[in-house]
Amino acid sequence: GAGVSQSPSNKVTEKGKDVELRCDPISGHTALYWYRQSLGQGLEFLIYFQGNSAPDKSGLPSDRFSAERTGGSVSTLTIQRTQQEDSAVYLCASTHTPGLDEQYFGPGTRLTVT
Amino acid sequence: GQSLEQPSEVTAVEGAIVQINCTYQTSGFYGLSWYQQHDGGAPTFLSYNALDGLEETGRFSSFLSRSDSYGYLLLQELQMKDSASYFCAVRDLQGFMTGTASKLTFGTGTRLQVTL
Repeated sequence: GAGVSQSPSNKVTEKGKDVELRCDPISGHTALYWYRQSLGQGLEFLIYFQGNSAPDKSGLPSDRFSAERTGGSVSTLTIQRTQQEDSAVYLCASTHTPGLDEQYFGPGTRLTVT
Repeated sequence: GQSLEQPSEVTAVEGAIVQINCTYQTSGFYGLSWYQQHDGGAPTFLSYNALDGLEETGRFSSFLSRSDSYGYLLLQELQMKDSASYFCAVRDLQGFMTGTASKLTFGTGTRLQVTL
């Protein structure tokens, strides 16, 4: 079966522009996570969706960041008024059961803000 | 909050054994995971320890001591393809509206270089 997919794979944008990053989780996976990884760094948790519950937004770095998950499947991470410090790889992961540990990651979107 | 410490880099020769340590400080702890990430690739799950002791999966083993807030990943019979970054991560459970949620807090990673 297909794994987690993300689009675009690369995005270059000018400072101040808005960007949307998309994640298609593995079919049937109820939990979806967004992480950010700066060059040579670990993964920074951003937001988490589980089923129809309210998302855990505790990792979002500012109110310029938002995410939604429509129909319990596809998710979009939106960054408004991008800044250079937003440049990073944005990774999406999904799991079938939230209590299980193994997360399946997508290939990521490399965002460059110029 | 959660914090994890791992060595930033480790170098070992092909065929050798290497141990990557991870110490953590958490407000709530429900398990230690390990992920592998090759350059430019996505992290992939390696192992998970919820209880003390050693978990073995082929050439890779993972150990946890909850009393010491410490774990390690052991890689045996190193191969060149094992050159990658290895991340430990702690899982915590927090109350959610209708169930339990689990998110991972990752360490900054250990870059393993396997040489001939």
